[in-house]
Amino acid sequence: DAKTTQPPSMDCAEGRAANLPCNHSTISGNEYVYWYRQIHSQGPQYIIHGLKNNETNEMASLIITEDRKSSTLILPHATLRDTAVYYCIVRAPNTGGFKTIFGAGTRLFVKA
Amino acid sequence: EAGVAQSPRYKIIEKRQSVAFWCNPISGHATLYWYQQILGQGPKLLIQFQNNGVVDDSQLPKDRFSAERLKGVDSTLKIQPAKLEDSAVYLCASSLRTANYNEQFFGPGTRLTVL
Repeated sequence: DAKTTQPPSMDCAEGRAANLPCNHSTISGNEYVYWYRQIHSQGPQYIIHGLKNNETNEMASLIITEDRKSSTLILPHATLRDTAVYYCIVRAPNTGGFKTIFGAGTRLFVKA
Repeated sequence: EAGVAQSPRYKIIEKRQSVAFWCNPISGHATLYWYQQILGQGPKLLIQFQNNGVVDDSQLPKDRFSAERLKGVDSTLKIQPAKLEDSAVYLCASSLRTANYNEQFFGPGTRLTVL
């Protein structure tokens, strides 16, 4: 079972910020929060990850609450090409690597 | 840098037939993953390799699915015999290392339709 909870869908106007929430209330102290997105008919694409500090890169910002039980992915100026399914994942370490459990994700629709 | 390559991109078979998928990860990536993605759902990890050793195959239906990664580079995933419920996209991914902050690079997937 996925360790995260996300809304099934969201809408956003083009040019506005898209704020995608994720709940991970059972996260462990050594687990990271990762975000991926999947554009139609493509494989998932890495966006960003964080442990407890807020992170920013050229694609997005990640805000993690102080208790680490939830986070928000922010696309500052959404474009039509950002329409995709966004997955929030909590990484669970296992021997030799990390088990990645995807939930159903949030389907983001960016509208003109 | 070339991405993860997969073939074929599409495959249609009848139930009880066999099928194989091929994956070539990004050069130098030690970890390779196979995922199954059923329509409308997130990807589900089937098997994870570290070099040519299996790290996790707990969700692989071993009565019909098998995978190998000889020489720690390319990998094949086989289904024998296929069932209707195996219709899905099969994604291959690779990552450079298994440190805390590795990211996975996904291939385009193989869409399997079982009739």
